Amino acid sequence: AQSVAQPEDQVNVAEGNPLTVKCTYSVSGNPYLFWYVQYPNRGLQFLLKYITGDNLVKGSYGFEAEFNKSQTSFHLKKPSALVSDSALYFCAVRTMDSNYQLIWGAGTKLIIKP
Amino acid sequence: DADVTQTPRNRITKTGKRIMLECSQTKGHDRMYWYRQDPGLGLRLIYYSFDVKDINKGEISDGYSVSRQAQAKFSLSLESAIPNQTALYFCATSDLLLNEQFFGPGTRLTVL
Repeated sequence: AQSVAQPEDQVNVAEGNPLTVKCTYSVSGNPYLFWYVQYPNRGLQFLLKYITGDNLVKGSYGFEAEFNKSQTSFHLKKPSALVSDSALYFCAVRTMDSNYQLIWGAGTKLIIKP
Repeated sequence: DADVTQTPRNRITKTGKRIMLECSQTKGHDRMYWYRQDPGLGLRLIYYSFDVKDINKGEISDGYSVSRQAQAKFSLSLESAIPNQTALYFCATSDLLLNEQFFGPGTRLTVL
C-alpha cells in the first residue's frame, strides 16, 4: 500500500536554530512531493513541491526541501527558525498509481520557542 | 476576497440530522475535493470531482454524498449525521495540470 510517514508528531526548535521536519514515503512510480502548512484555525497553504529536476527545492517563507530518491525521503528544512513558523506541517505525495490523488502524512506540529 | 470559501465555518448538529456543507471557488479550477481532518490522522479524501459531470469516491465516502452544481460549487452532504463524523472539513481545488491544491478555511462540524 502507498503511504507517507511523518515520524515525529512534534518538533521543538529554538528560534534562530535550523529546523528539519521529516517525511518518508512508500509509493510505486515516480512521486510528486508536496509540503503544506496549516496555521491555527486556517486552511492548508502550499509551501513547495518536487516534480522533477534539482533535488533541492525552495518554497515560501524561506523553507526548502530535499528529495532523496534512495532514501525515499523529502525532508523540510529552514536554516533559521522563526516563532511565526510554529504550525502544523503536512507532507503529501502523488503518483500515477494513486490516480493522481494526494496521499497525506499525519502531520507534524512544529513549535518554535523564543 | 478568498479564492476558496466554505460555509458554514462552524456547525453543531444532532445525530440523525441532514447537513450540507458548501464550497465555492473563484480560481476557475475544474477539480474540486472534499477532505476531513482528524487529529493524528492527517487529511482523508471523501469525494473529488474532475469536472461538473465527473464525481468520484475517495477513501472514506460512506455516509457522505456530494453535488457539483457548477464549476465553482461543490457541496458535501451528510444524510444522517453521526457523532464519529465530528471533524474539520476542507474543500480544495486544483487545475487540470494537477499542480498544488488550494484549500478553503474549513468547516468545523460537531455532531452531538
